[in-house]
Amino acid sequence: DAGVIQSPRHEVTEMGQEVTLRCKPISGHDYLFWYRQTMMRGLELLIYFNNNVPIDDSGMPEDRFSAKMPNASFSTLKIQPSEPRDSAVYFCASSFGGGNTEAFFGQGTRLTVV
Amino acid sequence: GENVEQHPSTLSVQEGDSAVIKCTYSDSASNYFPWYKQELGKRPQLIIDIRSNVGEKKDQRIAVTLNKTAKHFSLHITETQPEDSAVYFCAATDGDSSYKLIFGSGTRLLVRP
Repeated sequence: DAGVIQSPRHEVTEMGQEVTLRCKPISGHDYLFWYRQTMMRGLELLIYFNNNVPIDDSGMPEDRFSAKMPNASFSTLKIQPSEPRDSAVYFCASSFGGGNTEAFFGQGTRLTVV
Repeated sequence: GENVEQHPSTLSVQEGDSAVIKCTYSDSASNYFPWYKQELGKRPQLIIDIRSNVGEKKDQRIAVTLNKTAKHFSLHITETQPEDSAVYFCAATDGDSSYKLIFGSGTRLLVRP
C-alpha cells in the first residue's frame, strides 16, 4: 500500500476562495482523521470518521469548514470562504480500530491563504 | 475532555547523551499513549506506544514509561544520534472512548554532533 495519500501537497489561494483538500486512506482502515498543524496550536484534531460516518466534528473551528467521506477510499476537507488564519498544514490520517492503534499520517497539505 | 501537556518545548543534547521528554494527561480513563516523531517538513510517524496495562516498553534505544497513578508518561532516548533531531509529540486517547488522540504541544530535540 502506498500509505495515506493527500492532495494537493501545497495550495496557495486568495482570501475568500473555496479550498478543497483530498485524502485517500490506507485500504482496509476504518477510521479517518483530519488534523491541522500550526506553530501556535500544534496538532489539532478537526474531525474523524468511522466507516465513512462522521463521529466527532467538535474540533472543526467554524462553519466555514466541512468534511465528507463519500466512500471508504476518499475524504475531503473544504474551507469556504478561506481566510488568512486558515493557513496551516492539514494532515489526514487513517487507522484500523480507532485512536488506540497506530495512526498513519499522509504527507500533509500546506495551505497558504493570502 | 483530555488535556496533554508536554515538556520541555525544546531540548538540546550532545550526541551520545540521553534525552528525556515528559508528558502529563488529565483523564484517568485514557488507555493508550503513543509517541510520534516528525522530521522537518515530513509527516508524524509512530516510534513507540504503550498501553495502560504496561509500565514500561523498550525498542532498541527508545523506551517509554507510564505512571498511571501520577498520570504521566515519558520518552527516553539513549545514545542519541544526529538523526534523532526532530519534533517529538506525545499523545493520549480522549478518555476511554479510545477513538481519538489528543496530542501534546511537541518537543524540538536537537542532537549536537
